[in-house]
Amino acid sequence: EDQVTQSPEALRLQEGESSSLNCSYTVSGLRGLFWYRQDPGKGPEFLFTLYSAGEEKEKERLKATLTKKESFLHITAPKPEDSATYLCAVQDYSNTGKLIFGQGTTLQVKP
Amino acid sequence: DTGVSQNPRHKITKRGQNVTFRCDPISEHNRLYWYRQTLGQGPEFLTYFQNEAQLEKSRLLSDRFSAERPKGSFSTLEIQRTEQGDSAMYLCATRQSYEQYFGPGTRLTVT
Repeated sequence: EDQVTQSPEALRLQEGESSSLNCSYTVSGLRGLFWYRQDPGKGPEFLFTLYSAGEEKEKERLKATLTKKESFLHITAPKPEDSATYLCAVQDYSNTGKLIFGQGTTLQVKP
Repeated sequence: DTGVSQNPRHKITKRGQNVTFRCDPISEHNRLYWYRQTLGQGPEFLTYFQNEAQLEKSRLLSDRFSAERPKGSFSTLEIQRTEQGDSAMYLCATRQSYEQYFGPGTRLTVT
């Protein structure tokens, strides 16, 4: 059964203090690994898709990387507006393409 | 704004009442998903439509839940005889390529 575990559950950073969020996964066959950002009371906002080990994607202060067992979301010099819950999800090769999500990491960046 | 809309945004109902939620997807996306998210958890898959056909239902979707997508356009999710455990955020997502784009969600509170 496909499974996703994210760590830590919560992370507090000072503005400018870089860090990484971890997403460990087990999946029968990985079609894609997805990162989303979710603000309180809103739907998840798509950030990145990674398809194969060694792949990296960047957007502003965020960089996502992928290995065969885990993905990292690196946050460089974060700002308070980066505060949110970051969700990781995997998609296998089933026909439906449903996403299996981790529980998320809630990031708080203090000024 | 992803272009996926959901109504209502909030719904408060008494236990035992029926509720219906609506999702209007991005027009050219023929794949539609419903997820449920409880506090502190990632979204959990409920059901999947390709055009008007409902192709997969999670075991989370008890017989009190029914979903439709007439003519492959908007979709509705109905919960009959609501229970307090149904309190959650109900999210709709539509798919372009492999990425899923989420609506803002409907927050259901059962009292």
